[in-house]
This record gives sequence, structure tokens and C-alpha cells, in this order.
Amino acid sequence: TQLLEQSPQFLSIQEGENLTVYCNSSSVFSSLQWYRQEPGEGPVLLVTVVTGGEVKKLKRLTFQFGDARKDSSLHITAAQPGDTGLYLCAGARSGGGADGLTFGKGTHLIIQP
Amino acid sequence: GAVVSQHPSRVICKSGTSVKIECRSLDFQATTMFWYRQFPKQSLMLMATSNEGSKATYEQGVEKDKFLINHASLTLSTLTVTSAHPEDSSFYICSLNRGKTQYFGPGTRLLVL
Repeated sequence: TQLLEQSPQFLSIQEGENLTVYCNSSSVFSSLQWYRQEPGEGPVLLVTVVTGGEVKKLKRLTFQFGDARKDSSLHITAAQPGDTGLYLCAGARSGGGADGLTFGKGTHLIIQP
Repeated sequence: GAVVSQHPSRVICKSGTSVKIECRSLDFQATTMFWYRQFPKQSLMLMATSNEGSKATYEQGVEKDKFLINHASLTLSTLTVTSAHPEDSSFYICSLNRGKTQYFGPGTRLLVL
């Protein structure tokens, strides 16, 4: 069974600070996706990373896929209250799209004004 | 725009009854769809893979006779929770793959009294 260890599980910081969320596994994933989920809604895709060492930026969010495709990180610069939410990383077991995703436990992020 | 829809968004039922949840692909023919379950404050857990025209594949520990999946067309998969019990109360979310990215429906909140 492939597992994704996501940390931290809970994080509360002040507006303007930076933060990093980590997602680690002993297994290789064909791709890794980051989602954000609001209460009572389905996860919304933020980014998909596919290539080892890949870095993608989405405004103040920077996503990195490890060289060995076993880990990933999400870095938020100058966090804002609107960033508050549940962030989920999820790995795909195969590249063919026939498999479901393995999710990390999620990071509950609170940005205090 | 939305890629996946679910119906109903919320359902309350009595213990012992069955509940059907629909998952529709809005603009894409999906031979494979996925069903996840999410308990409060927890992450998503893959329940089963729904395959158009063939039997669903269930994850370990998920009872196939309790969670009936039908994928009769390329745009519709249904999940029926049979003889529901209070412990089945959860947030059920479906998804599908487009390329290397998995898109999620808005979820169905099930409450079994």
C-alpha cells in the first residue's frame, strides 16, 4: 500500500508569514496533485506535477516535486486570510489514469489577520 | 467550469434504507470514475473504481455488496448505499481522470438517522 505522509496536519500563522507543507512517501508516484478543499465541497485542483524536480508557481504558491518523485512540497509566500482551508496532496499510482488517488491526511491551514 | 456533478448534494435517510448517489461527467466520456469517502476532519479514502460496462473494483475493506456501483454509460456512475446505518454517514465524492489530472465532484453529504 502506498502511503503519503503529509505534514503539518494543523498550522495557524499570522497574515504575511510564509509556510511550507510537505508530502512524503517511500513509494514513487507517476504524478502528484495538490488540492484545496472548502467545508462541504469537493477538492479543487491547484496543480499537477509530473516530472521529477519540477517546480510550478501559482501566484504566491510554489509547488515542487522531488527528483525521485516520492515527495512534494507546497510553499505559500506572504499568507493571507483567504488562504485558509484544507490542503491535500494526492499521488497517482500509474500514469494511465486508471487508478484512483492516494491522499495525504491533509493540512488544515488557518491564516489569522 | 465544472467537470463533474453529483446528485443529491445532501440526503438524510432512516437506518436500514438504501440511498443512491449519482455522479455525472459533464463534458467528457469517462470509462472510469472513482468513488471516495471522507469522514469529518479526515482526508479522502478511495472506495472503488467504477468501470463502464464492467464490474467495479473495490478497495480493501470496502464491502461490495453494501456499496453497489453501476456505471451504465460513459457519463454516469451511481453509488447505492444499501441498508444504510449511522456509521455510513459521511461525505461521498466521485471523480474522474482527464489526462493526468483527477477532477472531483462537489460531494454528497449522507446522514443516516
